[in-house]
Amino acid sequence: DIVLTQSPARLSVSPGERATLSCRASHHIDSYLAWYQQKPGQAPKLLIYDASYRATGIPGRFSGSGSGTTFTLTISSLEPEDSGVYYCQQRSNWPVTFGGGTEVEI
Amino acid sequence: QVQLVESGGNLVLPGKSLRLSCVASGFTLSGYAIQWVRQAPGKGLEWVAITWNDGKNEHYADSVKGRFIISIDNSKNTVYLQMNALRPEDTATYYCAREDDPDMVSGYYLGVDVWGHGTTVTVSS
Repeated sequence: DIVLTQSPARLSVSPGERATLSCRASHHIDSYLAWYQQKPGQAPKLLIYDASYRATGIPGRFSGSGSGTTFTLTISSLEPEDSGVYYCQQRSNWPVTFGGGTEVEI
Repeated sequence: QVQLVESGGNLVLPGKSLRLSCVASGFTLSGYAIQWVRQAPGKGLEWVAITWNDGKNEHYADSVKGRFIISIDNSKNTVYLQMNALRPEDTATYYCAREDDPDMVSGYYLGVDVWGHGTTVTVSS
């Protein structure tokens, strides 16, 4: 199985600051990676697909980059509503796997 | 309004069975795959199973293979997850979710763009 390792596990940032979240894959997965945001008591929400494309309705402060084994989610200027847990997910090989998540505290 | 609504979650004894349902509305299942993703209390996301809308392609996580069966009824726009031989470690909120272009004909992985609100399964004696 492909293991996705997210870092850091927790990130505490102030509004307006930049946040950089990392996701490393144990094997090459091309760009078949997505990022999700989950808030307490809610279902996950798609932010980024195919490593670098913003999903519909996602603000421009969210951006994704990377290919192969190293991926990054950047939130350029954090807003209070950006708090939550962020997960990466790969769809290169079965089974689909998720990273362990990064909790962002504003 | 495009949405997925899960039902069927309950408290069940270890070793017993349960069937979850996921009803799609606002769109037809054609061209999509529907998957189940679960989340144990206080834990991260765990992918469970996926089926294409034609029912000819499906995959399972190793942790549920041989115990869970995913199926689809296009006439009812509904996907099911039959869970057998349940274990305490199956306790979780189960989400159904939609994946567009599962064969990646577009050349891109489009992600899981629509999620249900989840249904809770508790396996305990």
